[in-house]
Amino acid sequence: GAGVSQSPSNKVTEKGKDVELRCDPISGHTALYWYRQSLGQGLEFLIYFQGNSAPDKSGLPSDRFSAERTGGSVSTLTIQRTQQEDSAVYLCASSLAGRYEQYFGPGTRLTVT
Amino acid sequence: DQQVKQNSPSLSVQEGRISILNCDYTNSMFDYFLWYKKYPAEGPTFLISISSIKDKNEDGRFTVFLNKSAKHLSLHIVPSQPGDSAVYFCAATSTGNQFYFGTGTSLTVIP
Repeated sequence: GAGVSQSPSNKVTEKGKDVELRCDPISGHTALYWYRQSLGQGLEFLIYFQGNSAPDKSGLPSDRFSAERTGGSVSTLTIQRTQQEDSAVYLCASSLAGRYEQYFGPGTRLTVT
Repeated sequence: DQQVKQNSPSLSVQEGRISILNCDYTNSMFDYFLWYKKYPAEGPTFLISISSIKDKNEDGRFTVFLNKSAKHLSLHIVPSQPGDSAVYFCAATSTGNQFYFGTGTSLTVIP
């Protein structure tokens, strides 16, 4: 596939459970971003990876959120002990080094019950 | 604290007419701005961008205008087509690490 892919597309989980969201960026894109969009809100920056540099984690809302990027490609966003306020669409995007245009995946809709 | 604002949640325009979507920002350090278009159940798609060294950038039917003194940018779509019906987000950055997005404007182009 040529685009950014995310899995699962939908996830329903019980409050308190851990969830993992996956992102496969476009091959060759060194930059990878995670955002979340809550109902009626804009995209909220969560974390940014660029190549082998240390990630910019300044957007993570709490220490229940973490992300890693293995081999400079696939990324996983983990939310521990989920809360109802974590319900949102989680979007992943990638871009080429030095370019600001991001290519987004379709998102994962997370619902915490 | 919303650094990028889109104050119009929705806009309706007749097909063939001009659509003007507005965006305001508060951070004078922002030096690059982008517009994205989003259809339901899809991720945003890049549309057009502008650097702060310019005040206008044009790509086909889409033109973005930047007024740095007013901290305002706008997206013009001429002529509007029904396929342009989507949610439009503006975004801004100063570092290329963090991007700040507005809450979006839902455009409906009426045939």
